Amino acid sequence: AQSVAQPEDQVNVAEGNPLTVKCTYSVSGNPYLFWYVQYPNRGLQFLLKYITGDNLVKGSYGFEAEFNKSQTSFHLKKPSALVSDSALYFCAVRDRSSGSARQLTFGSGTQLTVLP
Amino acid sequence: ETGVTQTPRHLVMGMTNKKSLKCEQHLGHNAMYWYKQSAKKPLELMFVYSLEERVENNSVPSRFSPECPNSSHLFLHLHTLQPEDSALYLCASSQFVASGGEWQFFGPGTRLTVL
Repeated sequence: AQSVAQPEDQVNVAEGNPLTVKCTYSVSGNPYLFWYVQYPNRGLQFLLKYITGDNLVKGSYGFEAEFNKSQTSFHLKKPSALVSDSALYFCAVRDRSSGSARQLTFGSGTQLTVLP
Repeated sequence: ETGVTQTPRHLVMGMTNKKSLKCEQHLGHNAMYWYKQSAKKPLELMFVYSLEERVENNSVPSRFSPECPNSSHLFLHLHTLQPEDSALYLCASSQFVASGGEWQFFGPGTRLTVL
């Protein structure tokens, strides 16, 4: 079984400050990990993924995420937040042995608000 | 058209109606998905159509019926829905790769309201 937890429903940060959106996961094997962003009235948009290799993954719009196997975490970060980063962020996981349908399991989402 | 498109974008229906949601992907992908998104809940995977199989979430009621006539089109047929079925229904597609690291492309969703 695979699962994802996003412990914060809401994160507020001032523009220009660093931001972190937290994600922890549980899989029986090794994970594929993803971050998606959803703007109002839109579908989810892929930001970045961890497959293998470097634990620090860089993605779109200046976002990055750090894979920590010992803490089973994949926190999303950005050094300097923009008001336009305000959106709903989803973490997702797939166990590498998840079968032919390759189903993703999503967290419940974290609403990020960047204050001007 | 590019990416993943969904029609209609908004749908209001009564509990006795029958309607269908349509999804089309213009990416040449070989897998398509239906998700249900309710406020403050994780996305719920409803159905997957991939190269070799259809997978369904056993908790999805039979009043939702998917159809995938080809690799580019996906439908979700709705009948005798309940008010708790009101949600955003998202379609996604992906291209399976050997590494398993593919990501899913999402459409904008259909906002469904059941009265």
